[in-house]
Amino acid sequence: NSKVIQTPRYLVKGQGQKAKMRCIPEKGHPVVFWYQQNKNNEFKFLINFQNQEVLQQIDMTEKRFSAECPSNSPCSLEIQSSEAGDSALYLCASSRGMEVFFGKGTRLTVV
Amino acid sequence: AQSVTQPDARVTVSEGASLQLRCKYSYSATPYLFWYVQYPRQGLQLLLKYYSGDPVVQGVNSFEAEFSKSNSSFHLQKASVHWSDSAVYFCALSMRAGGYKVVFGSGTRLLVSP
Repeated sequence: NSKVIQTPRYLVKGQGQKAKMRCIPEKGHPVVFWYQQNKNNEFKFLINFQNQEVLQQIDMTEKRFSAECPSNSPCSLEIQSSEAGDSALYLCASSRGMEVFFGKGTRLTVV
Repeated sequence: AQSVTQPDARVTVSEGASLQLRCKYSYSATPYLFWYVQYPRQGLQLLLKYYSGDPVVQGVNSFEAEFSKSNSSFHLQKASVHWSDSAVYFCALSMRAGGYKVVFGSGTRLLVSP
């Protein structure tokens, strides 16, 4: 069973508001991922970290999205100015090697 | 480019019947393949994984999958489904590049009817 902890489970924000979600990866997992799952069950990779350093990120993440994974603190994903199209399930995952474990996600609704 | 294809968006089977969910992948290197299940309002749970060796892998809840390099496939199977198996199933591929970033298929929604 996955021990990736995501908070909050649900988040409701107005358009233009900041939205911040957190993730505690499994202990000993150096790699952390953020994915966005839309209502059509399509997954979009956002960003991943290895030992607090960014490995890869997509263009969307570079503009309105910011993420960090400091040592000894939860990882976080923040949307600076939420848009309706950001409404989705945001999944955090961690891995040590090939196996990737997912949290239960934060469901963001932008109204 | 790497990709995962699940050709069946929805599958309906009767309780107690056998099940096969299809998955095909495209990747030039050695694939690391997974099946995840997602229940309503939940995250993803790992069902099983394939790295190498025996092409038939066993997973949780009596699921198994068979890897075929010649067919580029990784189909999920179960001999007898239960109503609680109703969920969305995702086939996925992990790549060594980018810290084992995962590429997902589009998912298959399984409905088990009584």
